[in-house]
Amino acid sequence: GAGVSQSPRYKVAKRGQDVALRCDPISGHVSLFWYQQALGQGPEFLTYFQNEAQLDKSGLPSDRFFAERPEGSVSTLKIQRTQQEDSAVYLCASSLRTGPNEKLFFGSGTQLSVL
Amino acid sequence: AQSVTQLGSHVSVSEGALVLLRCNYSSSVPPYLFWYVQYPNQGLQLLLKYTSAATLVKGINGFEAEFKKSETSFHLTKPSAHMSDAAEYFCAVSVGGGTYKYIFGTGTRLKVLA
Repeated sequence: GAGVSQSPRYKVAKRGQDVALRCDPISGHVSLFWYQQALGQGPEFLTYFQNEAQLDKSGLPSDRFFAERPEGSVSTLKIQRTQQEDSAVYLCASSLRTGPNEKLFFGSGTQLSVL
Repeated sequence: AQSVTQLGSHVSVSEGALVLLRCNYSSSVPPYLFWYVQYPNQGLQLLLKYTSAATLVKGINGFEAEFKKSETSFHLTKPSAHMSDAAEYFCAVSVGGGTYKYIFGTGTRLKVLA
């Protein structure tokens, strides 16, 4: 596709449910990032992939959060036993190359509401 | 560790007036700096980035930013605001030498008054 695609656009979960959020990056993009954006805040780093390798997961808030990118393209962020504090917009971004000065292309995000 | 601070969570300007959005960074090594814009229900889009080639960086839609090492600042400006500039603006920083973690500020919501 032309841009980064995220699905679903909205997700409502009951507390304790597991959820899976999908990210389709731009084809050929090596780097993929997940961010969490709480209401009125900036994006907070969660994790980073270079192709299929998860090189940094230091931002994942707990072991309930898990991300994968098994074939180096589509990525899934899974949250187990959701809690109300998990409510946020989850953003996915990709870049063509690795490096600290790359342009990130963002998806529109998945808004997760945990009731 | 690197970080950015955006002063002013909300800024209002009149149409045609100067836009100034402030960003200060903290980094122990030379940083890469970025400004992104987020329109409602859209993903963040890159406005401009500083990568040490020039201290004054020109971006899209008439925006520019100046890197000032002595002030650890990277403020975003536009000479004349347009109604379409109303959006949320995020400053971000990254450094080399390891895995690439782009750190974002808390954002500044720009309102343009007719």
